[in-house]
Amino acid sequence: DAGITQSPRYKITETGRQVTLMCHQTWSHSYMFWYRQDLGHGLRLIYYSAAADITDKGEVPDGYVVSRSKTENFPLTLESATRSQTSVYFCASSESGGELFFGEGSRLTVL
Amino acid sequence: LAKTTQPISMDSYEGQEVNITCSHNNIATNDYITWYQQFPSQGPRFIIQGYKTKVTNEVASLFIPADRKSSTLSLPRVSLSDTAVYYCLVEMDTGRRALTFGSGTRLQVQP
Repeated sequence: DAGITQSPRYKITETGRQVTLMCHQTWSHSYMFWYRQDLGHGLRLIYYSAAADITDKGEVPDGYVVSRSKTENFPLTLESATRSQTSVYFCASSESGGELFFGEGSRLTVL
Repeated sequence: LAKTTQPISMDSYEGQEVNITCSHNNIATNDYITWYQQFPSQGPRFIIQGYKTKVTNEVASLFIPADRKSSTLSLPRVSLSDTAVYYCLVEMDTGRRALTFGSGTRLQVQP
């Protein structure tokens, strides 16, 4: 089905472990974004990508790594998870200047 | 990037018109204004976008004064299902899209 999908939807991990959140979109949108949303707060931009192999930092990039080898995929990796990275992570995509389309979110708990 | 300021929360009753104002004092010539709506446990979704004067679609109107230092999202005759968080974004019409969300306005509609 067309759209933007995130996986896993729910993840529990332990401090120090590596975690990768996947994001896949079927529209061939140029732009993709990763946001985190802590309970009761707004969204904060982690990283974004303007095209394959082009990524840039957002407001809160520390502790995260992204890659974009293919237009449709934009994985987010927490190299060594910390409790402060417990959050809901949203992936989004858009065309240049267009509206953002968000995934359903990935809820990550770091114990 | 232009910073936005919105009220933290608003209350209304079913059937009333709700106006949510966003301040963006340092908006630049090429910036345009976009509003998103977010329900609990979901990603934000696009409501409306504008550059100046007034824009209307099937769900909302967006009023932007001549100086463009603020904008007002108008929701006519709200219902309980309009209870959500509303975000105002200011975006430059350039290739760089570091789209940052503010804290948003939490609208509570009462019966």
